[in-house]
Amino acid sequence: EIVMTQSPLYLPVTPGEPASISCKSNQSLQHGNGNDYLDWYLQKPGQSPQLLIYLGSYRASGVPDRFSGSGSGTDFTLRISRVEAEDVGVYYCMQALQTPTFGQGTKVDI
Amino acid sequence: QVHLVQSGAEVKKAGSSVKVSCKASGGSMDSGGSFSNFGVSWVRQAPGQGLEWMGGIIPLFSATNYAHNFQGRMTITADKETGIAHMELSSLRSEDTAIYFCARSEFERIFRGRTYEFYYYGMNVWGQGTTVVVS
Repeated sequence: EIVMTQSPLYLPVTPGEPASISCKSNQSLQHGNGNDYLDWYLQKPGQSPQLLIYLGSYRASGVPDRFSGSGSGTDFTLRISRVEAEDVGVYYCMQALQTPTFGQGTKVDI
Repeated sequence: QVHLVQSGAEVKKAGSSVKVSCKASGGSMDSGGSFSNFGVSWVRQAPGQGLEWMGGIIPLFSATNYAHNFQGRMTITADKETGIAHMELSSLRSEDTAIYFCARSEFERIFRGRTYEFYYYGMNVWGQGTTVVVS
């Protein structure tokens, strides 16, 4: 099983300031086809999760461009260029190279 | 706009089974009114805990994949024409108390060795969740 480790687990943020979350896997998530099978999800309080980023760096439809994903192999980062109040919630990374597994989640709060 | 609507909350006795449905609505048949071109994943969340991928189905290829923890007691089915998917979990125990989500997944089918492998990613539409309580 691929183990996903996020840091930090709690991230206090200030509106208008940047923020970033790290996600590391215990083995490479890059397939021979060149894709990195790594998604980012946000679960706002009381809601179902929503997709932010897929295949490491592709922003999902309707996701604001202040969200960006980067990285390859075993190290990935989600960045928010300017945090807004609506960005609070728990962020999860998920690997999809093998049976999908999620990171522990990072709680983002203002 | 595609939506996934799940069946209502369930209260079950330990040792019994639960079956949760997930219906796609909205959008054209090509864009996601059904599951023709997508996978369906099932993800659960125990109270106060994180997300756990349980399994998925690719209706186009009648392919199912289950996480190790659920193999043998979970069955996923889907009808690509009607856009309804079902998840059945048997031999319920108190630890199965959770919210169960269905989600429409992108997928890739890659030939490797002698068989096809399926990769579920990009869960871009989620159901509202179904609470299952096991007592």
